[in-house]
Amino acid sequence: AQSVSQHNHHVILSEAASLELGCNYSYGGTVNLFWYVQYPGQHLQLLLKYFSGDPLVKGIKGFEAEFIKSKFSFNLRKPSVQWSDTAEYFCAVNARDTGTASKLTFGTGTRLQVTL
Amino acid sequence: SQTIHQWPATLVQPVGSPLSLECTVEGTSNPNLYWYRQAAGRGLQLLFYSVGIGQISSEVPQNLSASRPQDRQFILSSKKLLLSDSGFYLCAWSAWGLAGGETQYFGPGTRLLVL
Repeated sequence: AQSVSQHNHHVILSEAASLELGCNYSYGGTVNLFWYVQYPGQHLQLLLKYFSGDPLVKGIKGFEAEFIKSKFSFNLRKPSVQWSDTAEYFCAVNARDTGTASKLTFGTGTRLQVTL
Repeated sequence: SQTIHQWPATLVQPVGSPLSLECTVEGTSNPNLYWYRQAAGRGLQLLFYSVGIGQISSEVPQNLSASRPQDRQFILSSKKLLLSDSGFYLCAWSAWGLAGGETQYFGPGTRLLVL
C-alpha cells in the first residue's frame, strides 16, 4: 500500500516570501500525484495534478509542483505567497494500477499561515 | 457543470444513535463516488468507494456502511454511532480527463460530533 508524508505540519511565512511544501510518497509502481487546498470555510479544491509528461506542473493561483521520481517527491512551490494563500494543503497519491477506481492516499496536511 | 452536495453540514448525535449522511452529484452520469473521513490533525482516510449503483467497496473495517441507491447518490450510514466516529466526512466524485488520469472533486463535507 502507498503512503504519503508531508513533513511540514505548520508553516508561517510573511507575504512575498517563497514557499516550498514537501511531499514524499512510498509506492513502487506508477502513480498519479495531486495537491489539494482547503481555504478556511471552503471545499477541498484541486490545486494541480500530475499524470505523466513534463514533471513540472503548473496549477491555479501561481502554484507549481515538481515530480522527482528518483526522490519519490512532489513538492509544491510558489515564488511569492499572498495573505490569501493561508490555507491547509494536502498532497495525495493514487496508484495507477488500481483498476476502475482512483483510491487516493492523502498526507496529513500542511497548515500555511501567511502574515501581512 | 458538475456540482456535489452533502447534507447535513453539521450534525451532533448521541453515542448509539443511527447515522445517515447523504451525498448527491449533479451534471455527470455514472461517476465513481467516494467517502472519506478526516479526523482532527490527520489527513483524509478513504472509507468507501463505488463504481456503480449497488457496488460498494470498503477500505477499512469499521462501524460504518455505505450504499448507492441511485447513480448519483451515495449514502453513509451507521446503526449505532461510537465516539470514535466523530470527524469531518467528505464525499467526492471522480472524472477521467484527457490526460488519461482520474481526478476527484470534493463536496463541502459534514462535520459529525458524537457525544
